[in-house]
Formats: sequence, C-alpha cells, structure tokens
Amino acid sequence: NAGVTQTPKFQVLKTGQSMTLQCAQDMNHEYMSWYRQDPGMGLRLIHYSVGAGITDQGEVPNGYNVSRSTTEDFPLRLLSAAPSQTSVYFCASSYSTSGTQYFGPGTRLTVL
Amino acid sequence: KQEVTQIPAALSVPEGENLVLNCSFTDSAIYNLQWFRQDPGKGLTSLLLIQSSQREQTSGRLNASLDKSSGRSTLYIAASQPGDSATYLCAGHMEYGNKLVFGAGTILRVKS
Repeated sequence: NAGVTQTPKFQVLKTGQSMTLQCAQDMNHEYMSWYRQDPGMGLRLIHYSVGAGITDQGEVPNGYNVSRSTTEDFPLRLLSAAPSQTSVYFCASSYSTSGTQYFGPGTRLTVL
Repeated sequence: KQEVTQIPAALSVPEGENLVLNCSFTDSAIYNLQWFRQDPGKGLTSLLLIQSSQREQTSGRLNASLDKSSGRSTLYIAASQPGDSATYLCAGHMEYGNKLVFGAGTILRVKS
C-alpha cells in the first residue's frame, strides 16, 4: 500500500490564483481530513469527510473548498490564494473516527 | 476551548538515557490519544494510539499511558538513540466529528 499520498510536494502561487491540492489513500478509509501546520499555531483542521459525498468544516475553513466524490480522493481547493494561506498542508485518513489516523507527506505552499 | 499542552517544549539528552514526554488536555470530549513523530520537513508518523478503554500501549522502546480522569498522557522512550531526535506531537481524538486536537510538540535531541 502507498498509504496517503499528496501532490504536489511544493507549490508557489501568486495572490489571487487558485489551485487544488491532491490527496489520495489506498487503504479504503472512510474518514479523511485536511490540516494546515503553521509555526506557533500547530496543526489545525481545515475540512473533513466521513465518507463519499459527505464533508464538513473544521476549525479554519475560510478560503478553502473540498469535495469527496470517491472514497480514495479528497482534494482541497484554494479559491483565491492569499499570503495568509502560506503553510504546510497535510492530508490524513483513518478507518474510523476512533482509529489511528495516517498522514501524508505534506504540501508546502507559498503564496506571494 | 480545546487545549492540548506538551511539556517540555524542548529536551536534550545524552544517548542511552530514558526519558518522558508529557501531554495534558482539558477537554473531556477527548477520548483517544495518539502520539506522532515528525522529522524536519517531513510528515507525521503515527507511533501509538491509546484508546479510552486502555491505560497504556507499548511498541518496542516506546510506552504511552493515558489517564483520562487527570487529563494526562505520557510517552516514555527507553534507551534513547540519536535516531530518536525529532519533534513528538500528541493529539486528542474528539468525540464528535473526525478531528484531532494537537499539542505544540516537544523537540527532542539525543546527543551521541
């Protein structure tokens, strides 16, 4: 199993541009989440999904959209990038809400 | 407010020493506790998950305990090695939604 994969590894955007961060898992996990990690702020939940077609907001959802059309994929869309969205983004998945959460390698995003 | 606190923020020890990392939480809605390791510029690697019905979990030289009544968890590392140098994060699983609440981490350096 590849586990949780994320693309791209690095990305530089200009303010106002849009892009999609990709996340996929091959473990048949129902639960997937997106976190951002910032110095001094730790990891914070952006959006999460409890199954295909079901998503909900986390702690810091503004400026981000998600959808879950398949069990395997959970893309994160930045609608109009802002410098405040410069961060490292991690995708995670788990079999259940109480089970071990597995994280991807992250995407390092810089918005100029 | 959900808070997870980790003490100490940084720790430097000589190789071979046994050490304890501390994690405390204030929210009674945290029911499971997961410990992660993060190497610089990398993703999160799950070390141990302690479910609310358990008091401790062991994996190799690692032992983690959970006391929900006092809101505390500890990660014990036996016979530390330079390869253990990393940031260690604890995260509480929330009862509602698919959410982890993270501590700020303990930066561990094991000197050879």
